[in-house]
Amino acid sequence: DVKVTQSSRYLVKRTGEKVFLECVQDMDHENMFWYRQDPGLGLRLIYFSYDVKMKEKGDIPEGYSVSREKKERFSLILESTSTNQTSMYLCASSPTKQGVGVQNTGELFFGEGSRLTVL
Amino acid sequence: AQKVTQAQTEISVVEKEDVTLDCVYETRDTTYYLFWYKQPPSGELVFLIRRNSFDEQNEISGRYSWNFQKSTSSFNFTITASQVVDSAVYFCALKPSGTYKYIFGTGTRLKVLA
Repeated sequence: DVKVTQSSRYLVKRTGEKVFLECVQDMDHENMFWYRQDPGLGLRLIYFSYDVKMKEKGDIPEGYSVSREKKERFSLILESTSTNQTSMYLCASSPTKQGVGVQNTGELFFGEGSRLTVL
Repeated sequence: AQKVTQAQTEISVVEKEDVTLDCVYETRDTTYYLFWYKQPPSGELVFLIRRNSFDEQNEISGRYSWNFQKSTSSFNFTITASQVVDSAVYFCALKPSGTYKYIFGTGTRLKVLA
């Protein structure tokens, strides 16, 4: 079975602190995603990576950065947290290569989520 | 514009009742994929079904069934004889072919009462 593991389930931080959320998948998937989930807003894409060292901004990248130094690992960095970043953060991976003319039908495999509270 | 609407924010049913979760989507793409995911209290979204835009056949999997109608841009999900373990948040999602972009609905919280 595919496993997507997120490093922290619950975090409490103070405004201005740095947060590093790590995600590891064990099925050699090319694509990895970071979403945030908020009540009434569903899932919103923060960043996407389709290969090592490659990244693309999603819908709400402001205040976030990402790192993908190894294929299995995709990290989300909040350099200086603010209270409006209190949320559930979900990592996902997908097994199909992206590219022009290449169909991507792969479903997303999610981690259990990291609930961040910023005080 | 591409959009997924799940108008039902929360539904409560009594065990053994049937329940339908609605999903309406908007897209101009002719080739796309539709998904349903279940998010139990543990937090991890679990894939339930994928349907591509050229396959309008309904699907049944045990107590779960899905009704895809392109004419009304809907992809509804029915649980027959609901059980307490079905209590979760359910998300519908749309993904145009050839892109990485998944557009999620806001989710429907289903509570099945014993």
